Amino acid sequence: GAVVSQHPSRVICKSGTSVKIECRSLDFQATTMFWYRQFPKKSLMLMATSNEGSKATYEQGVEKDKFLINHASLTLSTLTVTSAHPEDSSFYICSARDQGPGNTIYFGEGSWLTVV
Amino acid sequence: QKEVEQNSGPLSVPEGAIASLNCTYSDRVSQSFFWYRQYSGKSPELIMSIYSNGDKEDGRFTAQLNKASQYVSLLIRDSQPSDSATYLCAVTGFKTIFGAGTRLFVKA
Repeated sequence: GAVVSQHPSRVICKSGTSVKIECRSLDFQATTMFWYRQFPKKSLMLMATSNEGSKATYEQGVEKDKFLINHASLTLSTLTVTSAHPEDSSFYICSARDQGPGNTIYFGEGSWLTVV
Repeated sequence: QKEVEQNSGPLSVPEGAIASLNCTYSDRVSQSFFWYRQYSGKSPELIMSIYSNGDKEDGRFTAQLNKASQYVSLLIRDSQPSDSATYLCAVTGFKTIFGAGTRLFVKA
């Protein structure tokens, strides 16, 4: 199946700093990528839809100035958590939509963010 | 009414039994249907896709789609403890909507 790579898999940062997470579709072009966060034993929560060449669409309650999304190419979207706080610690997952007949969504491996 | 509904579970089945996971959706124009498996602490992985009414089999997995009744199900035959995970249903029409997932426990 298609591969979506996410990096880094784990990151620890200090409060107040920013951290960038990359999401790459390795064998297909993705005009649309998605960013989720997930707390332990909870459901996926869609944060935003990332559209190549245009601004991301954020879900209600998600601060766009805090979670900066850039989708500069058909294979790369980045999520930057700015001025991170301990409550931002979570599992962040990206996904990319294959433009084939089924519009299948493939997930990256996820990134564990710990803010200390 | 949620757009994609799944019983949160947990669904507990003994090893070797058939696990049946169900999903209903509200958007009648939905065209593509997917099942993902998510192990604890990992991201979801695609296990099945189905686009037309009927059954689709892949190894121990069978996806069933009934567009008239707006449900899609996943059967896991000969369930193994390694099948214990959360199973997410996803439905694509104009956009892709995920269900909240059903937790499955397979008891050894």
